[in-house]
Amino acid sequence: DVKVTQSSRYLVKRTGEKVFLECVQDMDHENMFWYRQDPGLGLRLIYFSYDVKMKEKGDIPEGYSVSREKKERFSLILESASTNQTSMYLCASSSGLAGGSYNEQFFGPGTRLTVL
Amino acid sequence: AQSVTQLGSHVSVSEGALVLLRCNYSSSVPPYLFWYVQYPNQGLQLLLKYTTGATLVKGINGFEAEFKKSETSFHLTKPSAHMSDAAEYFCAVGGYTGRRALTFGSGTRLQVQP
Repeated sequence: DVKVTQSSRYLVKRTGEKVFLECVQDMDHENMFWYRQDPGLGLRLIYFSYDVKMKEKGDIPEGYSVSREKKERFSLILESASTNQTSMYLCASSSGLAGGSYNEQFFGPGTRLTVL
Repeated sequence: AQSVTQLGSHVSVSEGALVLLRCNYSSSVPPYLFWYVQYPNQGLQLLLKYTTGATLVKGINGFEAEFKKSETSFHLTKPSAHMSDAAEYFCAVGGYTGRRALTFGSGTRLQVQP
């Protein structure tokens, strides 16, 4: 079974703190994704990566950065957390080469982040 | 560009009744369509997907969906709801657009009444 794990299920941080969310997948997938999930808005793509050290902005990248130093690990970084970043963060991975979102994405359990 | 519209943010059915969750999509290329389910405090799990071929797709837990190109729809159905089906359901669209990520709808929360 494909497994995507996220470092924390629940996280509470203070405004202005630097926050790291870690995601690891064990299926040698090329693609990894970070989404945030908010009620009524569904899943919105923050960033994705299609190879080590490669990244592309998603639909809502402002206030976030990412790092992918190893194929299995994809980190989401909040440089200076703000209250409007309180949300559920979901990591996903998929196989597949350039040009198409045609393969199933496998999701981690999510990290519920609260910024006070 | 691609987009997904899920009609009805909340749907309530009685146990044993038909489940119908609606999804309409917009895509400039042949779409790949997915339904995911999210149980409380969990990540998303794939229910079923349509890529090519047969337009009626069967998934896990007795769910199925039919791709109707003329109606740009991919509605999810289950003949008889079970209490364990209570969850949030997301429709998503992908395809050969150059964008690797799926585009998700806003979700439909299914409530099953005893």
